Amino acid sequence: AQKVTQAQTEISVVEKEDVTLDCVYETRDTTYYLFWYKQPPSGELVFLIRRNSFDEQNEISGRYSWNFQKSTSSFNFTITASQVVDSAVYFCALSEAGGTSYGKLTFGQGTILTVHP
Amino acid sequence: EAQVTQNPRYLITVTGKKLTVTCSQNMNHEYMSWYRQDPGLGLRQIYYSMNVEVTDKGDVPEGYKVSRKEKRNFPLILESPSPNQTSLYFCASKRSGTSGSLEQFFGPGTRLTVL
Repeated sequence: AQKVTQAQTEISVVEKEDVTLDCVYETRDTTYYLFWYKQPPSGELVFLIRRNSFDEQNEISGRYSWNFQKSTSSFNFTITASQVVDSAVYFCALSEAGGTSYGKLTFGQGTILTVHP
Repeated sequence: EAQVTQNPRYLITVTGKKLTVTCSQNMNHEYMSWYRQDPGLGLRQIYYSMNVEVTDKGDVPEGYKVSRKEKRNFPLILESPSPNQTSLYFCASKRSGTSGSLEQFFGPGTRLTVL
């Protein structure tokens, strides 16, 4: 069975600090996909990134970067120079390639990030 | 504009009063799904549908029903709501193909309170 753990329930930082959100996953599949979503106070889910299990390259998008390490089953998310607008709940999610869990996203518990001015 | 719509966005109801939350997508997606979000638990899948007339249970299906009579619509039905179904509900859709690889598009969410 697939499982995603986000051990940090809440993180509070001051603007311009860097912050890393941790995500650890479990799966028996060799082919799987990892996602990060942002949920701002307005409540909608905003897709941030998708990574497949064969691509361990780190990715950077502006102030956001992701570190995927299969050896530790982790897919961590770093925000550099955080801003107040980054305040949100962040979810890590996993989807397996097939079988009975076709298409299902398994989400972590979410990390509430608060960035103070 | 490609989107998933849900109605209503907010609903307060009482125990036992049947309700339906509608979900519609305009992207011709085969796969649709319902999730509920609860504090500390993240989002959990309730039901999913791989295509018209094909539905199956997710992780937390008890107390819910769904139907998929048309490709674009996937309503979530609570025949006898109870307070433990108070939650934030999301509908999602995606194309078929390589199962888990494709991005799922989420609706705006429906906040349901059952008194």
